[in-house]
Amino acid sequence: GENVEQHPSTLSVQEGDSAVIKCTYSDSASNYFPWYKQELGKGPQLIIDIRSNVGEKKDQRIAVTLNKTAKHFSLHITETQPEDSAVYFCAASISSGSARQLTFGSGTQLTVLP
Amino acid sequence: EAGVTQFPSHSVIEKGQTVTLRCDPISGHDNLYWYRRVMGKEIKFLLHFVKESKQDESGMPNNRFLAERTGGTYSTLKVQPAELEDSGVYFCASSPGSTRIQETQYFGPGTRLLVL
Repeated sequence: GENVEQHPSTLSVQEGDSAVIKCTYSDSASNYFPWYKQELGKGPQLIIDIRSNVGEKKDQRIAVTLNKTAKHFSLHITETQPEDSAVYFCAASISSGSARQLTFGSGTQLTVLP
Repeated sequence: EAGVTQFPSHSVIEKGQTVTLRCDPISGHDNLYWYRRVMGKEIKFLLHFVKESKQDESGMPNNRFLAERTGGTYSTLKVQPAELEDSGVYFCASSPGSTRIQETQYFGPGTRLLVL
């Protein structure tokens, strides 16, 4: 089955700096890659996603890049703010037939220092 | 529009007892998923309903776990009897259609289960 590895497990940055979180996946059939942000006491919330027919996607301060050949994808947050502090999860999924399950990475605790 | 809701938010039970978790998906969503995060590790898939049918239950750890979605609306996940290793956060998620390409899964706040 699919295996997703996520690095780093913890990341501290100064407010205003950029943060990068990287994930690799094992199944070349995976074609959907969402990123979720989980704040304390809340459930994961989708912040951005990318499909395998696209190499990069951007939404304001957040961007995701995908390298299908190398089977890795990354989340980039620019101009970080204290409210960006949370746990971030990457995930991969095969959109085929009835298969819909997400396989998650182990999460990255991002701390933005004021 | 109300999001995915889960009840209870927390549950503390003793080993051997039974616990039932409930999930109410976003209204009109055919797809309902259960996931759990144990001991701060990755969030792992448990099972997937399409309406009232179990589409994929490959992630269910053993037969102590029973999920139902009668009528295709809310779902329950029962753990009987609970073991120490069942402690963790149980998330429910839902997505709209049953035949479209991969859609966004909207997660609930989770139920934090502690088995003593």
